[in-house]
Amino acid sequence: KQEVTQIPAALSVPEGENLVLNCSFTDSAIYNLQWFRQDPGKGLTSLLLIQSSQREQTSGRLNASLDKSSGRSTLYIAASQPGDSATYLCAVFNQGAQKLVFGQGTRLTINP
Amino acid sequence: GAGVSQSPSNKVTEKGKDVELRCDPISGHTALYWYRQSLGQGLEFLIYFQGNSAPDKSGLPSDRFSAERTGGSVSTLTIQRTQQEDSAVYLCASSLAGGGAVDEQFFGPGTRLTVL
Repeated sequence: KQEVTQIPAALSVPEGENLVLNCSFTDSAIYNLQWFRQDPGKGLTSLLLIQSSQREQTSGRLNASLDKSSGRSTLYIAASQPGDSATYLCAVFNQGAQKLVFGQGTRLTINP
Repeated sequence: GAGVSQSPSNKVTEKGKDVELRCDPISGHTALYWYRQSLGQGLEFLIYFQGNSAPDKSGLPSDRFSAERTGGSVSTLTIQRTQQEDSAVYLCASSLAGGGAVDEQFFGPGTRLTVL
């Protein structure tokens, strides 16, 4: 059974810092990994999708890496801003199972 | 273009009543998913549709839960005889093809269900 873990559960940093969010998964037989952002009371916004054959994806100040063999992904946020404050979720799409399996999320607070 | 939409955005009901939640996926997306997000449980998969068929219902928590999809588009999740533990945010997602390496899922804003 696939299990996804995100560390830390919460993170608070001053504005302008670069930061890394971590995601690990137990079963490396995945099709892809997605990072999402969720604002309070809102749905999920897709940030980045990394295919199983890829090592990283970039979008603006965000960079996500994937090491499938070790079951790890990181989301790097450069030059953080207060508007980046949200909960960040990673999810893996398993081969042979038509569903995303989510981690518990990292609640990020960027202090002005 | 329009994203995934869900209605209602909020639903308050009494224990024992039936509720229907609706999802309109992105036009042209053949795959549709329902998830549930509750405190302490995180996001859990409920059911997956490919077209109008549901090859994976493994996440439905009990036989009080059912879902259908018509015309390869709109889906309805029905909860019968609601219980307080059904209180959660119900999220719908759609993707272009369903499965595979490049298939990104796009989520709706969710329906917050409160069972009194």
